Amino acid sequence: NAGVTQTPKFQVLKTGQSMTLQCAQDMNHNSMYWYRQDPGMGLRLIYYSASEGTTDKGEVPNGYNVSRLNKREFSLRLESAAPSQTSVYFCASSEVWEENQYFGPGTRLLVL
Amino acid sequence: GESVGLHLPTLSVQEGDNSIINCAYSNSASDYFIWYKQESGKGPQFIIDIRSNMDKRQGQRVTVLLNKTVKHLSLQIAATQPGDSAVYFCAEINTGNQFYFGTGTSLTVIP
Repeated sequence: NAGVTQTPKFQVLKTGQSMTLQCAQDMNHNSMYWYRQDPGMGLRLIYYSASEGTTDKGEVPNGYNVSRLNKREFSLRLESAAPSQTSVYFCASSEVWEENQYFGPGTRLLVL
Repeated sequence: GESVGLHLPTLSVQEGDNSIINCAYSNSASDYFIWYKQESGKGPQFIIDIRSNMDKRQGQRVTVLLNKTVKHLSLQIAATQPGDSAVYFCAEINTGNQFYFGTGTSLTVIP
């Protein structure tokens, strides 16, 4: 039981490049979430998927898109990366909406 | 307690002592609160949660206290161990499905 896995672990992008962050969970959880974590700030919710087939914007959705590919997988896409998107990105999942979220190990993204 | 800013509040305790980490929240509509532990280079880990209809909840070596009157949340860790060294932060979720996470308190356990 791997829990929540994220790929890649590290990524360096140039401004304007695009990329997709992958997230998968093997706990049969219904809800999945994408957060970013910046120094001196708490986690901020980017997008979430309360259940398979639905996605909604969180606090800071601009510049991102998501896809809930199936119950296991929830990807985050940066269409045109900007330096302001340099951050650590965490994916999380929970069996019940908002409760007891399990987090992945994070993706460290640097946009030059 | 927690604060927004570049420097995390820090707490140092002797191994075996009890630790108390505080969190102030601002939204009286928040009805669900969670404490997380985050070790360096890792994702946050759920510790304990509490709903607004409760004042206290206990887990294994941890207790969360909620004071709705002053919008204050605390995490008590009994018999603190070196493995408890980490950043601890609280999260509040309100009825509008809005999530707010604190910046955290850095706990150092001195052997």
